[in-house]
Amino acid sequence: EVQLVESGGGLEQPGRSLRLSCTGSGFILGDYAVNWVRQAPGKGLEWLGFIRSNRDGGAIEHAASVGGRFFISRDDSKSIAYLQLNSLKAEDTAIYYCSRGYYYTSGYGLDSWGQGTLVTVSS
Amino acid sequence: EIVMTQSPDTLSVSPGERATLSCRASQSVMTDLAWYQQKPGQAPRLLIYGASTRATGIPARFSGGGSGTEFTLTISSLQSEDFAVYYCQEYYNRQTFGQGTKLEIK
Repeated sequence: EVQLVESGGGLEQPGRSLRLSCTGSGFILGDYAVNWVRQAPGKGLEWLGFIRSNRDGGAIEHAASVGGRFFISRDDSKSIAYLQLNSLKAEDTAIYYCSRGYYYTSGYGLDSWGQGTLVTVSS
Repeated sequence: EIVMTQSPDTLSVSPGERATLSCRASQSVMTDLAWYQQKPGQAPRLLIYGASTRATGIPARFSGGGSGTEFTLTISSLQSEDFAVYYCQEYYNRQTFGQGTKLEIK
């Protein structure tokens, strides 16, 4: 069974940093792109960025909205992808999801998602 | 950055009826569009990719259409489990999501 599990969330103070992890099982994480998406309380989905598989070049793209504060990386030997959150702000409070990017013959989609990890930024 | 706008924000439909949700892109995304369903307390679920192809396990009552800047998601005969929030997402550029449409029971 394909499974993604996020961890590392919690309560953090403004200005501090946090690193979230996304552990994949039931498939080879290294063969897929990994996306990060967040959802603020009561709000919609916001795509934060993704990292391609090494087979596809391993390129990383981040959403402009995160302003150079968030960084995605991966360690395929551990089947883990990371989201580094720096200079945290109150508006970063959200559930953070990781998801697998799947390239179909006629498209692309985020076909598997973790359950999310809650990040709360507050003093 | 491509802006995705969904309409309406909320759609009230009775079970058994048809629901049509719309998604508009600020510039052409060809058919690089996906639809997701999200229920309260759950992660999103992929419904449609390539604007019109159903993902694995998605019932045939869900259908997607459109290309360029105008897209639709149609649910032909609403079941109780279909009442949820639906998001479109372009992956032509930076994978921007729309703001979502809440499909509620009338």
